[in-house]
Amino acid sequence: DVKVTQSSRYLVKRTGEKVFLECVQDMDHENMFWYRQDPGLGLRLIYFSYDVKMKEKGDIPEGYSVSREKKERFSLILESASTNQTSMYLCASSLGGVNTEAFFGQGTRLTVV
Amino acid sequence: QKEVEQDPGPLSVPEGAIVSLNCTYSNSAFQYFMWYRQYSRKGPELLMYTYSSGNKEDGRFTAQVDKSSKYISLFIRDSQPSDSATYLCAMKPWNAGNMLTFGGGTRLMVKP
Repeated sequence: DVKVTQSSRYLVKRTGEKVFLECVQDMDHENMFWYRQDPGLGLRLIYFSYDVKMKEKGDIPEGYSVSREKKERFSLILESASTNQTSMYLCASSLGGVNTEAFFGQGTRLTVV
Repeated sequence: QKEVEQDPGPLSVPEGAIVSLNCTYSNSAFQYFMWYRQYSRKGPELLMYTYSSGNKEDGRFTAQVDKSSKYISLFIRDSQPSDSATYLCAMKPWNAGNMLTFGGGTRLMVKP
C-alpha cells in the first residue's frame, strides 16, 4: 500500500514563528502536493512539485513556501505563522501522468495562537 | 462563485437508505471527475473516478456525470453506518495533470 506520512498530527505554534510541515511518501511518486482544508471550502492547493527541486504555485501560495530536496520528501514552510493559517494541512502524492490517483496523508491540524 | 459547489450537509439517513450526493461546477473544461471519502481525522481516499459523461458502478456506489448540466452525482445503495464520512467531489481538465479542484464536501451520517 502507498503510504504518505506527515510528521505531526497536531501542532500549536505562536504568531510569527517559522513552521515546518514535513511529508514523506514511500512509493517513488513524481508528484507531491500540499493542500489546506477549511470547513465549507474543501481542499485548496497551496503548492505542488512534479520533480525534485521543482515547484509550482497552487491557488493560495501566499505566506507559504516549499522545499523538495529528495523525491520522497516535500516540506511546507510557513515563514511567519499567522492566525489565519490555522487549518488542516494535507499532503498528497501521485505518479506522473494524467489519470493517476492522488494518495493523501493523515493531515496535520495546525493551530496558530 | 466557487468553481465547484457542494452542499455541506450534514445529510442524515437511516441505514439501508439510498443516498444521493451531488456537485455542480462552472468550468466546462473539466473532463475527469472523482469522489473522495474522508473519515473523521483521516486524509481523503479515492472512491470513484470517471471520465467525461456517463455512469460508473462499483458495488454499492454509482457515479454519474452530466456534462451538459455541469452536474455530478454519487449514489450509495443500501447505506451502512460505516459509510458515515465526508464526501468530496473533485475534478480537473484533461491537461491539468493532477491539479484537482475540490468541492467543499458533504458530511453524511447513516444512522443504525
